[in-house]
Amino acid sequence: DAKTTQPPSMDCAEGRAANLPCNHSTISGNEYVYWYRQIHSQGPQYIIHGLKNNETNEMASLIITEDRKSSTLILPHATLRDTAVYYCIVRVQGQFYFGTGTSLTVIP
Amino acid sequence: NAGVTQTPKFQVLKTGQSMTLQCAQDMNHEYMSWYRQDPGMGLRLIHYSVGAGITDQGEVPNGYNVSRSTTEDFPLRLLSAAPSQTSVYFCASSYGRGTYEQYFGPGTRLTVT
Repeated sequence: DAKTTQPPSMDCAEGRAANLPCNHSTISGNEYVYWYRQIHSQGPQYIIHGLKNNETNEMASLIITEDRKSSTLILPHATLRDTAVYYCIVRVQGQFYFGTGTSLTVIP
Repeated sequence: NAGVTQTPKFQVLKTGQSMTLQCAQDMNHEYMSWYRQDPGMGLRLIHYSVGAGITDQGEVPNGYNVSRSTTEDFPLRLLSAAPSQTSVYFCASSYGRGTYEQYFGPGTRLTVT
């Protein structure tokens, strides 16, 4: 029972914005959306999280639709080091539920 | 701070053997958890702990035991290894069970033959 749906892969040109979509249509009102990324086979790295307002930090921006059924992670100026698998995660009762993620390739 | 550390990095076991994967954190985090990641898949929660002396099951707990005698350590025990337990295992910790971000260790790659 997938809690999030993401495209399996995307490409982005270096220096351009990378927009990674996520569908979480069954999310409940108090469940947060988290984004992590995993480079090669390293441990996942936290990027950002949000409930219903848009969020921004030094790594990325998170845009959540008003109905909270989907969100978009934005990497404003993608670099080659941003090539990774990006996971959109819904936290349910404190537990993280990972999907299969989006493999982002940044192209020189 | 070392963050979240895991040992060993690699391990090969024969079917039926037992072993313990070690996880430690030096950030005084209350919440710790174990995940497994199979090829081409996301992480799945095995067990978690909300504090010393308290553990609970995640999505895929069968074949694994955990205990939490200290805040710092959260070992994962494989009781009788099976080839289906071949996977990469990640330990994670966070301040609490709320909205806090989780910090992940580097992983242990386990092969069961």
